[in-house]
Amino acid sequence: QKEVEQDPGPLSVPEGAIVSLNCTYSNSAFQYFMWYRQYSRKGPELLMYTYSSGNKEDGRFTAQVDKSSKYISLFIRDSQPSDSATYLCAMSSDYGQNFVFGPGTRLSVLP
Amino acid sequence: DAGITQSPRYKITETGRQVTLMCHQTWSHSYMFWYRQDLGHGLRLIYYSAAADITDKGEVPDGYVVSRSKTENFPLTLESATRSQTSVYFCATSTSGRGEQFFGPGTRLTVL
Repeated sequence: QKEVEQDPGPLSVPEGAIVSLNCTYSNSAFQYFMWYRQYSRKGPELLMYTYSSGNKEDGRFTAQVDKSSKYISLFIRDSQPSDSATYLCAMSSDYGQNFVFGPGTRLSVLP
Repeated sequence: DAGITQSPRYKITETGRQVTLMCHQTWSHSYMFWYRQDLGHGLRLIYYSAAADITDKGEVPDGYVVSRSKTENFPLTLESATRSQTSVYFCATSTSGRGEQFFGPGTRLTVL
């Protein structure tokens, strides 16, 4: 079993739809959870950063962490064509440099 | 505010040659990281550094060498390039090493 699992997609949705992106993980030591957006031929860009469990909202983006289920989600409301990108989840623990990325989900928002 | 810069952005080299990829940051973040990104593997950590003169191996260090004599620079050297090292290389920085990381624009390396 991989340490972080993420559906690679591609996921295609119409403009204005609510998008749900998810990752599952196996290491219960993970405490820091991130979502990155990566446009084609660009570096990953930090979108959301959450410590431990709970929800965090920033504009059209909401990140949720459920540590009991080892499951994290990113919701995008009112999706726009400019949201078309690959979304990477990432997580790390308090111990050493155990920083792990998911393989990414490719999202296309169609006008 | 330049943040993180990587050079060169594109590089083509031949098998057996030595190649150095440069990473420079203007934020004075303590931690710096090198990743490679390949289809089917996602981002994999090559090496990281917690401070000047402190470096450690990541998931895929074989064939790579790093140094960090100054906080702002973290060069990655391929001592004898192989075709399997064809990849996109990203440098990243972090204040703590545990949470959020900030990425450079990447270097696309092709080894013929």
